[in-house]
Amino acid sequence: DSGVTQTPKHLITATGQRVTLRCSPRSGDLSVYWYQQSLDQGLQFLIQYYNGEERAKGNILERFSAQQFPDLHSELNLSSLELGDSALYFCASSVTSGPNYEQYFGPGTRLTVT
Amino acid sequence: AQTVTQSQPEMSVQEAETVTLSCTYDTSESNYYLFWYKQPPSRQMILVIRQEAYKQQNATENRFSVNFQKAAKSFSLKISDSQLGDTAMYFCAFMKHRTGANNLFFGTGTRLTVIP
Repeated sequence: DSGVTQTPKHLITATGQRVTLRCSPRSGDLSVYWYQQSLDQGLQFLIQYYNGEERAKGNILERFSAQQFPDLHSELNLSSLELGDSALYFCASSVTSGPNYEQYFGPGTRLTVT
Repeated sequence: AQTVTQSQPEMSVQEAETVTLSCTYDTSESNYYLFWYKQPPSRQMILVIRQEAYKQQNATENRFSVNFQKAAKSFSLKISDSQLGDTAMYFCAFMKHRTGANNLFFGTGTRLTVIP
């Protein structure tokens, strides 16, 4: 158990819908990262937040957005869902935004778009 | 841009034997970190080992060790005395050495099967 929690574990929804994935980082971790793992794209970085502020953006679609709240939990919002958005979405956290600190991964949320 | 290449989609090894997984990367950064992550069937991402590019000495963690060749941009993982629990996907990953944007860039993975 990494200490990072993600809810829900599984999500099945239809095309065109909107979903919200939630992540609670390890206690004391200020930085949160979102990654997407799909058969087509592999594991790719989406977005990073540090203490409530966006720090870096990767290959995140405009239909996707995220935020980190004052209690440091983060939410990833996916809208106008397409079949290709079906993937495993990981959240990871680290103590700070520096490179010296390990990123701990949550168990992931499996999203299936039908 | 950073790219990470794992040229072995699948590998297998007999239990108790040694296996080496390959990884090459491309970057213009002078300082960076390299990682191997393990993803067992549970899908959990688990850090196996990390290497700081400015350190000459190869990292080791129990049965896991790396062969880091900076000039060749090569970072292979050696697993000694393979165990059934080592069966998993293994991902090589790269991180820039900078504060702020320190996300991971992953390779496509190598599926390792340990045969009893």
